[in-house]
Amino acid sequence: KAGVTQTPRYLIKTRGQQVTLSCSPISGHRSVSWYQQTPGQGLQFLFEYFSETQRNKGNFPGRFSGRQFSNSRSEMNVSTLELGDSALYLCASSFTRSTDTQYFGPGTRLTVL
Amino acid sequence: AQKITQTQPGMFVQEKEAVTLDCTYDTSDPSYGLFWYKQPSSGEMIFLIYQGSYDQQNATEGRYSLNFQKARKSANLVISASQLGDSAMYFCAMREVQTSGTYKYIFGTGTRLKVLA
Repeated sequence: KAGVTQTPRYLIKTRGQQVTLSCSPISGHRSVSWYQQTPGQGLQFLFEYFSETQRNKGNFPGRFSGRQFSNSRSEMNVSTLELGDSALYLCASSFTRSTDTQYFGPGTRLTVL
Repeated sequence: AQKITQTQPGMFVQEKEAVTLDCTYDTSDPSYGLFWYKQPSSGEMIFLIYQGSYDQQNATEGRYSLNFQKARKSANLVISASQLGDSAMYFCAMREVQTSGTYKYIFGTGTRLKVLA
């Protein structure tokens, strides 16, 4: 069974631009969560999607948004990029919301210049 | 207050020896889950082991075992027979139910393990 895939793996943008990251969960998994990882803040929860609905949200500004499609694939969008948005963005999937284990993808490393 | 605390920013261990990575947690939720993930330099978070708050036995997965001491709120990861490929960042995480009924995963700051040949 294929793991969680994320595209692109690397991305370089400039301040003020917007970016869209994609995540394909493990086949059969319906819950997708997004995390931001930086050296200073560590791993921080962004949001969780289940059945195309955002079920949970972390403490991030409205510039960070996401969506989930009927096939459970998810996209995350960051608008008006700031230097501080440079990070590794990790996507994790789990079978259902109550299932205990999240499986992570390889991440997208975003650099904002 | 930190909900997940990993007090060892870095650890060294000799190849083939065992090593314990510490993790303490704080929650008032009676039902929670504890996880350990490994993150190599490539960035991907690899699930290692899970322990449920109601599990009576300590979890084991191959060379990984979780020393779960509920009263002390600790969930230490034990890696036996360390291998060079074990060199990575290790994160302890907790899943708890929030008042809204949603689930939240909280991660510790990680421990960087270096296995020496």
